[in-house]
Amino acid sequence: DTGVSQNPRHKITKRGQNVTFRCDPISEHNRLYWYRQTLGQGPEFLTYFQNEAQLEKSRLLSDRFSAERPKGSFSTLEIQRTEQGDSAMYLCASSPRVRTSGSTYEQYFGPGTRLTVT
Amino acid sequence: KQEVTQIPAALSVPEGENLVLNCSFTDSAIYNLQWFRQDPGKGLTSLLLIQSSQREQTSGRLNASLDKSSGRSTLYIAASQPGDSATYLCAPDSWGKLQFGAGTQVVVTP
Repeated sequence: DTGVSQNPRHKITKRGQNVTFRCDPISEHNRLYWYRQTLGQGPEFLTYFQNEAQLEKSRLLSDRFSAERPKGSFSTLEIQRTEQGDSAMYLCASSPRVRTSGSTYEQYFGPGTRLTVT
Repeated sequence: KQEVTQIPAALSVPEGENLVLNCSFTDSAIYNLQWFRQDPGKGLTSLLLIQSSQREQTSGRLNASLDKSSGRSTLYIAASQPGDSATYLCAPDSWGKLQFGAGTQVVVTP
């Protein structure tokens, strides 16, 4: 197992275009997370899935953003009508499902997709 | 809403010195806390995870402490090396979501 992978690694697009990113989690990890990181800041939570169910979305995820995880395997994050403010690093992470005791497992991050909107 | 603060924002030390990185958070209702390392333009590498029931976790030259009641965690790196130069991020886990601080940028000079 080579860890969490993300594609593409870099994306340059013009304002108004749609973009889609893909994340392949560590196999058998039930949980998959999306975060966004801008320069000089820590990552911010966007959304997460348990298997194919999207359990929570941050207020940061406007109507232009949509995420899917069909069949509970890989996930895609689509941004429609991109804006310059969408320029950021988009990070994906995965973890085994939450323990029944309520404590959680370690999250493992992918290398990220850097989006530049011109 | 969980607020995470990391102090100092930047740190420069000569090789061989010990590093002390501080993290404070406002909501003590956490499942665990993770420390990460991030190299420029790269993703995050997990260093340590401390469960909420633990006070300390060690891995090699790294030691992290957690005082959940006071909302504090400290990462100690012993005998620093130039390869330790990176940004270090702490992230308490609230209901399965990590909330990150802005990080401490560390430079270790030879």
